[in-house]
Amino acid sequence: IAGITQAPTSQILAAGRRMTLRCTQDMRHNAMYWYRQDLGLGLRLIHYSNTAGTTGKGEVPDGYSVSRANTDDFPLTLASAVPSQTSVYFCASSAGEGYEQYFGPGTRLTVT
Amino acid sequence: ELKVEQNPLFLSMQEGKNYTIYCNYSTTSDRLYWYRQDPGKSLESLFVLLSNGAVKQEGRLMASLDTKARLSTLHITAAVHDLSATYFCAVAYSGAGSYQLTFGKGTKLSVIP
Repeated sequence: IAGITQAPTSQILAAGRRMTLRCTQDMRHNAMYWYRQDLGLGLRLIHYSNTAGTTGKGEVPDGYSVSRANTDDFPLTLASAVPSQTSVYFCASSAGEGYEQYFGPGTRLTVT
Repeated sequence: ELKVEQNPLFLSMQEGKNYTIYCNYSTTSDRLYWYRQDPGKSLESLFVLLSNGAVKQEGRLMASLDTKARLSTLHITAAVHDLSATYFCAVAYSGAGSYQLTFGKGTKLSVIP
């Protein structure tokens, strides 16, 4: 049982480059989420999708975009990375809105 | 906007001692979750609290929810080193047409032998 997988595990990226973080779940969950975790700030929601074909903005959406073409995949794209986007990124999924969320292993991204 | 406050943010305790972590939140909610995160790892679900007065226990950890006081507690009984981790509470709220979780900043627990 894989649950949620994320790729890559870690990445060092030059500022200005484009990057897509991948997230796939095999639990057939309707809702998926992207968070960033920074020291002292906890987890902050970037974007979410309550069902395939829909997306919404979270607390810190600027500089990020998402798509949800199908139930299983929820990629996060940084169009032009900046150093302030250095963080650990977690993808999560839940059976529905407001339900218990299950987290992927995370992607550690460093923008230089 | 929902605000979630945990305290303490850092907790160092000796093995065998008891302690409580508090999670206060600012608006009405009927769902609260506790997660555990080990260093460098992902978040693991510990408890799901869905109603006022809910109490859940797993080993040395017990979580409770008082929706009227907007307060949840995570009580640690006779702490052991393996409980060292960061603990997050997350509160469900409905805003801007969607139902999301807002996380507290976490309580970093260190259990000292």
